[in-house]
Amino acid sequence: EIVLTQSPTTMAASPGEKVTLNCLASSSVSYMNWYQQKSGASPKLWIYGTSNLASGVPNRFSGSGSGTSYSLTISSMEAEDVATYYCLQLSSYPWTFGGGTKLELK
Amino acid sequence: QVQLKETGPGLVQPTQTLSITCTVSGFSLTSYYMQWVRQTPGKGLEWMGFIRSGGSTEYNSEFKSRLSISRDTSKNQVFLKMNSLKTEDTGVYYCARAVRYYGYNPYWYFDFWGPGTMVTVSS
Repeated sequence: EIVLTQSPTTMAASPGEKVTLNCLASSSVSYMNWYQQKSGASPKLWIYGTSNLASGVPNRFSGSGSGTSYSLTISSMEAEDVATYYCLQLSSYPWTFGGGTKLELK
Repeated sequence: QVQLKETGPGLVQPTQTLSITCTVSGFSLTSYYMQWVRQTPGKGLEWMGFIRSGGSTEYNSEFKSRLSISRDTSKNQVFLKMNSLKTEDTGVYYCARAVRYYGYNPYWYFDFWGPGTMVTVSS
């Protein structure tokens, strides 16, 4: 099983600050997907195929990475970005999620 | 538009069987893989398994011995059945649709999720 380790577990960012969330895989994966989950809601597709923004996602978000290291970057933090972000690998069974990064506003 | 909705029992007793239905609209089950994912306090988000567009299934070995996924295409419904429930199975259960991109570097992603159904395992 491929274990996805997300870091940091929790972070707080100020409005306008650049934010980078990391996802480290225990073995190489071909690509990574990212989901945003707000309190009480189901996860929402955010970034797919490593770097493609889902419909409606602001272009201050970007995704990158390869092999075992992937990241989600917010160029300029906004209040609406407060949420938990999860990475998901669909390269190898069983498909696995990371533990999430909770992003708060400073 | 694409919609998914889970309906479940809410409360299940330990050792009993959980049954959840996912009713979909806006697409055909014969064109997409459908997943079950759960979110528990102890383990977070876990992929449980899927049923392919052709009807075959794949399960996470974590659940394989007690999980069954099936569907009724005429009713646009996907079913989850899991037996021998434990208190650790308490959580929110989601169905989600998977999409395959067939480009130069193919990949999968889950594009639509249902709102989830809360299941509490308790006597």
